[in-house]
Amino acid sequence: NAGVTQTPKFQVLKTGQSMTLQCAQDMNHEYMSWYRQDPGMGLRLIHYSVGAGITDQGEVPNGYNVSRSTTEDFPLRLLSAAPSQTSVYFCASSYLGNYEQYFGPGTRLTVT
Amino acid sequence: GNSVTQMEGPVTLSEEAFLTINCTYTATGYPSLFWYVQYPGEGLQLLLKATKADDKGSNKGFEATYRKETTSFHLEKGSVQVSDSAVYFCALLDAGKSTFGDGTTLTVKP
Repeated sequence: NAGVTQTPKFQVLKTGQSMTLQCAQDMNHEYMSWYRQDPGMGLRLIHYSVGAGITDQGEVPNGYNVSRSTTEDFPLRLLSAAPSQTSVYFCASSYLGNYEQYFGPGTRLTVT
Repeated sequence: GNSVTQMEGPVTLSEEAFLTINCTYTATGYPSLFWYVQYPGEGLQLLLKATKADDKGSNKGFEATYRKETTSFHLEKGSVQVSDSAVYFCALLDAGKSTFGDGTTLTVKP
């Protein structure tokens, strides 16, 4: 199993540009989520999904959209990038139940 | 909502010293508790976990016990090494969503 994969690893955007961060998992997990990590802070939840076709907002959803058309994929869209969205983004997945969440390697995004 | 509070850092220790990093949580459900470690420029690595009250998680000499009565999950290690220098995050997992503390930076000097 590849686990949780994220692309790209690094990205530089100009203010106002849009892009999609990709996340995929091959473990047939029901739950998937996106987090951002800012310097000196822990991860904060952006959006999450409990299954295909079901998404909900987390703690810091503004400026981001998600959709979940398949169990495997959970892309995160930045609609109009802002410097405040400069961060490291982590995708994660888990089974129903609270036993463990599997994290991807992260995408380092810089918005200039 | 859920929250996790970690002791403020940074923490600087000499090699072979005893380590404690405090973590307390509030949760409305029955979460699992985790400690993650992050090295500079890298992602998160799961260090240890506990899924129910009184469970003890352990790995690489680190230990933490899930204490429901004090809502705590303190990380301990009896003898730290220079290679343990990293940022440590306490987290809880509830209904597929994790809540993280702000992290504690540990520096171990030879």
